Amino acid sequence: NAGVTQTPKFQVLKTGQSMTLQCAQDMNHEYMSWYRQDPGMGLRLIHYSVGAGITDQGEVPNGYNVSRSTTEDFPLRLLSAAPSQTSVYFCASSSLGGRAVTGELFFGEGSRLTVL
Amino acid sequence: GQQVMQIPQYQHVQEGEDFTTYCNSSTTLSNIQWYKQRPGGHPVFLIQLVKSGEVKKQKRLTFQFGEAKKNSSLHITATQTTDVGTYFCAGSHSGGSNYKLTFGKGTLLTVNP
Repeated sequence: NAGVTQTPKFQVLKTGQSMTLQCAQDMNHEYMSWYRQDPGMGLRLIHYSVGAGITDQGEVPNGYNVSRSTTEDFPLRLLSAAPSQTSVYFCASSSLGGRAVTGELFFGEGSRLTVL
Repeated sequence: GQQVMQIPQYQHVQEGEDFTTYCNSSTTLSNIQWYKQRPGGHPVFLIQLVKSGEVKKQKRLTFQFGEAKKNSSLHITATQTTDVGTYFCAGSHSGGSNYKLTFGKGTLLTVNP
């Protein structure tokens, strides 16, 4: 079972470069989300989606774009990378019940991004 | 914004000692989840609590959800070296539709063998 797959696992960028972190899940989950994890800051929600064609902002959305064209995929785009975006990024998916996330979050293995 | 406060930030114990981490929210939570993240790994789901006053046990782990649904705790009895990692709580705040699961900053547990 693949679960949630993130690529790449590691990436080094220069300031101003753009890139896309890929996330795919094979569990037919409606809910997908992106978190960033920084030392001492826990996991902070960047963007989330409750289904194809629907996305919304989390706590720290600035500098990031997302789209959800299919149920399976939820890519995260950095249009112009900045050193402050150096972090570990996690994609997570879950089932939905009514108007809340009621299932466990399944996390990908993470993508470690360094912006120089 | 809505926050979930978690304490302590760090806890170092001798193997065999007990460990507890606490989460508090200023607003009512519809549910709370607990995750464990091993060093270098990704968060892994442990449990979800939904009902006021709910208590659930998983072997040496005991999870509680407060009566007011604003706080929760995770207690580990007789810690082992395999318990090492960061424990996170994550809550959904009540009221309207809410797809934002807010994480606490986590408690890093280290265990001295």
